[in-house]
Amino acid sequence: DARVTQTPRHKVTEMGQEVTMRCQPILGHNTVFWYRQTMMQGLELLAYFRNRAPLDDSGMPKDRFSAEMPDATLATLKIQPSEPRDSAVYFCASGLTQVTGRPQPQHFGDGTRLSIL
Amino acid sequence: SQQGEEDPQALSIQEGENATMNCSYKTSINNLQWYRQNSGRGLVHLILIRSNEREKHSGRLRVTLDTSKKSSSLLITASRAADTASYFCATNTGANSKLTFGKGITLSVRP
Repeated sequence: DARVTQTPRHKVTEMGQEVTMRCQPILGHNTVFWYRQTMMQGLELLAYFRNRAPLDDSGMPKDRFSAEMPDATLATLKIQPSEPRDSAVYFCASGLTQVTGRPQPQHFGDGTRLSIL
Repeated sequence: SQQGEEDPQALSIQEGENATMNCSYKTSINNLQWYRQNSGRGLVHLILIRSNEREKHSGRLRVTLDTSKKSSSLLITASRAADTASYFCATNTGANSKLTFGKGITLSVRP
């Protein structure tokens, strides 16, 4: 069963440190999403890519967050420097956007639980 | 910003009963999707309904969509303890692949 894989599953670090979260999308999927989930805000879209090109990162704080897809099998989300308010669960999801425009579901990884002390 | 808002926020039922969850949204949509999230896990897609559809079924799940009222409902029949999870509705406006999620409903099914 194909799955989205996220690493690490848990990360605890001190404020000011750089944090890198990784995601391996499902093979063949051409769209990758990064979400952040907190109790207060719920699930927020940070950024997403299609065919490795960034399409929308308007949900991401630009001064400290960056998202990239070095290749089709890896997406990264970096926070530098990290702050306590960045503590959340970060999810990666992938999907297949078809030229027909037929809507498709998103497939989520199990997330990275990030705690910034 | 949240497009979908689920109602109720929490629901507790006995195993075997039906669970009905509602979702309202603000703007026109291309499709609406329901997802389930078990504790400590990622979201799992349950069902997708397009704006030109009124009802869809998948196993014990039944989803309805009323675009005139901008609302959807998810019915889980004959609930099981394993259905205990959070349920989210998500809307897509069709301009792209983006989904906007509600804050979710916590469903507890008592054995």
